[in-house]
Amino acid sequence: KNEVEQSPQNLTAQEGEFITINCSYSVGISALHWLQQHPGGGIVSLFMLSSGKKKHGRLIATINIQEKHSSLHITASHPRDSAVYICAVRGKPLQNTGNQFYFGTGTSLTVIP
Amino acid sequence: NAGVTQTPKFRVLKTGQSMTLLCAQDMNHEYMYWYRQDPGMGLRLIHYSVGEGTTAKGEVPDGYNVSRLKKQNFLLGLESAAPSQTSVYFCASSYSWVRGVTEAFFGQGTRLTVV
Repeated sequence: KNEVEQSPQNLTAQEGEFITINCSYSVGISALHWLQQHPGGGIVSLFMLSSGKKKHGRLIATINIQEKHSSLHITASHPRDSAVYICAVRGKPLQNTGNQFYFGTGTSLTVIP
Repeated sequence: NAGVTQTPKFRVLKTGQSMTLLCAQDMNHEYMYWYRQDPGMGLRLIHYSVGEGTTAKGEVPDGYNVSRLKKQNFLLGLESAAPSQTSVYFCASSYSWVRGVTEAFFGQGTRLTVV
């Protein structure tokens, strides 16, 4: 079983396009994270969400707690956005999921100039 | 202000050899985690620690041991490396629940190859 599902697995876009990556989860959560991983590089946290919407520059993340779904949007995409984007959720300790994170398999994004 | 530092960054081992991966964080985080990342799979939890002197098994603990003798350090040991342990290993840390909902910080990863 996979507590976190992401789509698409791979995504190729032309520079300037609007990009959406989706994440669905099946466990009760306290927060959802969007992470970015560049090839051969470490993992960086982009957003932590527990409700609503957040925006950092060209990146926007939304979450719908009732539907257990989150989206990451990139406006005016650029080749430097090429990376793997990972959705991760943190369980609620009271639901016996501990304080652990559950990770999606990632979406590999390539933005072509 | 180093955040989470993993050493080494790369290592090649022969089957049966042992090694220790070190994770160090300077943020006074209570929780620390070791994950492995394999192609086509999400990060999988090996072991974690909720405080100094305490450790617990994660999803894939077999073949690994850990220790948290100091709050800032979390060590991952492979006693007898196997090719199936070829992977990229990530350490992460975060504050505990009593501080509210907080994010996790990740190290740069250790690429381990067992031949």
